[in-house]
Amino acid sequence: SQTIHQWPATLVQPVGSPLSLECTVEGTSNPNLYWYRQAAGRGLQLLFYSVGIGQISSEVPQNLSASRPQDRQFILSSKKLLLSDSGFYLCAWTVLTGTGTEAFFGQGTRLTVV
Amino acid sequence: AQTVTQSQPEMSVQEAETVTLSCTYDTSESNYYLFWYKQPPSRQMILVIRQEAYKQQNATENRFSVNFQKAAKSFSLKISDSQLGDTAMYFCAFRRMYNNNDMRFGAGTRLTVKP
Repeated sequence: SQTIHQWPATLVQPVGSPLSLECTVEGTSNPNLYWYRQAAGRGLQLLFYSVGIGQISSEVPQNLSASRPQDRQFILSSKKLLLSDSGFYLCAWTVLTGTGTEAFFGQGTRLTVV
Repeated sequence: AQTVTQSQPEMSVQEAETVTLSCTYDTSESNYYLFWYKQPPSRQMILVIRQEAYKQQNATENRFSVNFQKAAKSFSLKISDSQLGDTAMYFCAFRRMYNNNDMRFGAGTRLTVKP
């Protein structure tokens, strides 16, 4: 079966420190992978998506970057965190089903920048 | 650009009763997908129901059903026989049919089911 793993679940980091959030997918090959951010009380904002190894598209200019070193691995990074980077980050992947496309989300990472 | 609007930030319902969550969207596309996702306190997103715009029949999944009004660009979610486990944030989402990489979400509605 297909599963998605995202870690860590919570993270507290000081301003100016680096960041690395990892997401891996099992049970599928060549998935489309996504990073979303959810600010408190707000919807989800698409940050990055990737259709293959080394292929990253950025939706919004920001302090974050993404990389896809392997087919089923997606990493969200920052060299120096800002207070505004605090939020809930979700990794997701999509699969084409017989009736359309379905998205699967990881458990999310609560990032607090202090 | 596609936008999704959920005008109800918070709602509550008594256990076993029925509640409807509203969602409207704006698009110039004729074919697309609409989704409702549930985000319980665990924060993991769970797909509740999906609707293809080219299908006239409203989607249903057990106690969950939608009222899809394409002309009005409305996509409401009805939860029947509400259960305590339905307490969660609910997100309405839109995705263009031929763009797999851009799913737009509403701001969410926080639903509380009261015993």
